[in-house]
Amino acid sequence: ETGVTQTPRHLVMGMTNKKSLKCEQHLGHNAMYWYKQSAKKPLELMFVYNFKEQTENNSVPSRFSPECPNSSHLFLHLHTLQPEDSALYLCASSQDPPPGLTDTQYFGPGTRLTVL
Amino acid sequence: GQQVMQIPQYQHVQEGEDFTTYCNSSTTLSNIQWYKQRPGGHPVFLIQLVKSGEVKKQKRLTFQFGEAKKNSSLHITATQTTDVGTYFCAGAYSGAGSYQLTFGKGTKLSVIP
Repeated sequence: ETGVTQTPRHLVMGMTNKKSLKCEQHLGHNAMYWYKQSAKKPLELMFVYNFKEQTENNSVPSRFSPECPNSSHLFLHLHTLQPEDSALYLCASSQDPPPGLTDTQYFGPGTRLTVL
Repeated sequence: GQQVMQIPQYQHVQEGEDFTTYCNSSTTLSNIQWYKQRPGGHPVFLIQLVKSGEVKKQKRLTFQFGEAKKNSSLHITATQTTDVGTYFCAGAYSGAGSYQLTFGKGTKLSVIP
C-alpha cells in the first residue's frame, strides 16, 4: 500500500536534537492525523488537520509541533524530546474528519522513534 | 476524554477455533470502526458500522454494533494463522462542534497451528 507514506521509517535522536517527521498522502483526502502508538497505551490521536487547518490538539506537549502546508503533506517537528516519547508515530488520512461515513483512517507505515 | 474499553487484551486460540473481541463506550458513538494491525505493520481499516444494531460480515468475520450504539464486537469463525495480529476498535464521537476518534487498546490474537 502506498497511499500514505512516511519518512523516515526509523529515527534515533538525542534529547537536545531537532528533527522532523514527514507524511504524504496520495489519496486526495482532506483530513490528516498524527497518532502515537506506544507499548503501554492505546493508539493516541495527537493532531487533526482538516483542509490544512488544525482542528484538534489532544493536549500534546509543545515539544511536538505539527505543520500542514497543504492537504497532502503533514509534518511533525520534534524538539527536546524525552525518552518516554519513544514510540511509533503514525500518520493517517481520511476523506473527511470524523464523525461520518468518510472518516475511515488510512495509515502510513509509521516512524519508529527512539529518544536517547 | 472519551474512552473505549476493549477486551480481552490477549487471546490465544487453536487454529480452527472461534475468536471474539468486544468494545464498550461510556457514551453513544456516531460510528465505530475496526482495524487490524499485523505484527510489525500499521493499522489497516476493516469496516465501519454506523447504524444501531447493524451487523456486517466479511467472509469469516462478523461485526456487530449494539442497539444503543455504545458497544461493538468482532467475531472470527474458524481462525486461521493469517488472522494473527492486533484488532482495534475506534469509536467516533461528535458534540458541541468537536469530534474525536478514540481507539481501544486492542486485542492481540495469536493462533496456534
